[in-house]
Amino acid sequence: QVQLVQSGAEVKKPGASVKVSCKASVNTFISHYMHWVRQAPGQGLEWMGVINPTGDGARNAHKFQGRVTMTRDTYTSTVYMELSSLTYEDTAVYYCAREYYSSMWYKAFDIWGQGTMVTVSS
Amino acid sequence: QSALTQPASVSGSPGQSITISCAGTSSDPTSYTFVSWYQQHPGQVPKLIIYEDNKRPSGVSNRFSGSRSGNTASLAISGLQAEDEADYYCCSYAGSSIYVFGTGTTVTVL
Repeated sequence: QVQLVQSGAEVKKPGASVKVSCKASVNTFISHYMHWVRQAPGQGLEWMGVINPTGDGARNAHKFQGRVTMTRDTYTSTVYMELSSLTYEDTAVYYCAREYYSSMWYKAFDIWGQGTMVTVSS
Repeated sequence: QSALTQPASVSGSPGQSITISCAGTSSDPTSYTFVSWYQQHPGQVPKLIIYEDNKRPSGVSNRFSGSRSGNTASLAISGLQAEDEADYYCCSYAGSSIYVFGTGTTVTVL
């Protein structure tokens, strides 16, 4: 069973950047689209963006345009999400999630990382 | 892209059936497809329970069922059990590699 293991909690100051990693336990992940979803304390889920299997294409939600960068290292089975110009509103748990594939892409997220808490505080 | 609209809360007694709706706004011309549903217990990671509108992943109880008509999707839970008490989120593909989550619904088992 594939597991996604994310990096640890972060505390950042307003205006700083944070980079969260998500490592797959098996190499088959290299053939999957990988998504990032965040959840502010007591709030709902918010889709942030997706990176394609080869890492040469990514798409972000409009509200994160210009602030989020998604990359992947296929050799280490790791994807990264970097969010810049942090504000207090970016305080949230950030999840990576694998897109479900079974003979076709089903545009759903079947395996999730454990989440990374990012706190923006002065 | 605005979040899809879900009722804030739905409740039911054990054994009953409940339905959670998930709707795009009437003024939004986006065509929402490939609706999926997630269950999230407090402090836990979301779990996929429905994909492509009405399909269940292996291991998910058949008490959960999904449907979609146009830009409105629904999740039904039959034979409500205490373990079903959780938050539920819909998510839809909005085209051009963009996805949108619903606002979330808290299910309470009375």
